[in-house]
Amino acid sequence: GAVVSQHPSRVICKSGTSVKIECRSLDFQATTMFWYRQFPKQSLMLMATSNEGSKATYEQGVEKDKFLINHASLTLSTLTVTSAHPEDSSFYICSAGLGMAGGYTFGSGTRLTVV
Amino acid sequence: AQSVTQLGSHVSVSEGALVLLRCNYSSSVPPYLFWYVQYPNQGLQLLLKYTTGATLVKGINGFEAEFKKSETSFHLTKPSAHMSDAAEYFCAVSGPSSASKIIFGSGTRLSIRP
Repeated sequence: GAVVSQHPSRVICKSGTSVKIECRSLDFQATTMFWYRQFPKQSLMLMATSNEGSKATYEQGVEKDKFLINHASLTLSTLTVTSAHPEDSSFYICSAGLGMAGGYTFGSGTRLTVV
Repeated sequence: AQSVTQLGSHVSVSEGALVLLRCNYSSSVPPYLFWYVQYPNQGLQLLLKYTTGATLVKGINGFEAEFKKSETSFHLTKPSAHMSDAAEYFCAVSGPSSASKIIFGSGTRLSIRP
């Protein structure tokens, strides 16, 4: 089945540094990928939609300069959290669409802790 | 616009009892509906999905859901709960395109009592 590999699974960084999270589609091409943020005991909030070869579309309230998304190929999308602060600590999950009637597949998530 | 409402943030049932997790949706286009399960510190695993066709959908681990357009519902059921079913469950809705956003409900935490 279609698999999305997300790395790293956990990362701890110092406040003010940047962190990159990768999301790879392993056995299919993903024209569109989605990035979500999940706070403890809450639902997934869509941050942005990433389209291969074009700029990402950000949801209202998401700072595009802080959360940089790059989708340079059909199998890789990256999310970079720039100048991280403790309030950016969260669980980040990527997803890829599987085409008509295919649904979506999700990465295993990245637990980011900013200290 | 699309939205999902999950009734009950926490549901607790006894092992062997019926599991019923409620989901109502709102969609301006024919919806694609999903149920996902999430275990702690993990991503989401698809339980089942409805796109078109048969309104009763069977998924993994003995779960099933019925799409009822008249009630705008997509409730998840399992006849007999198992301890391993304890997790967070999310109902979600999307449009028919792979580029459509998928919108999640607030989630329901399912606990299983021995």
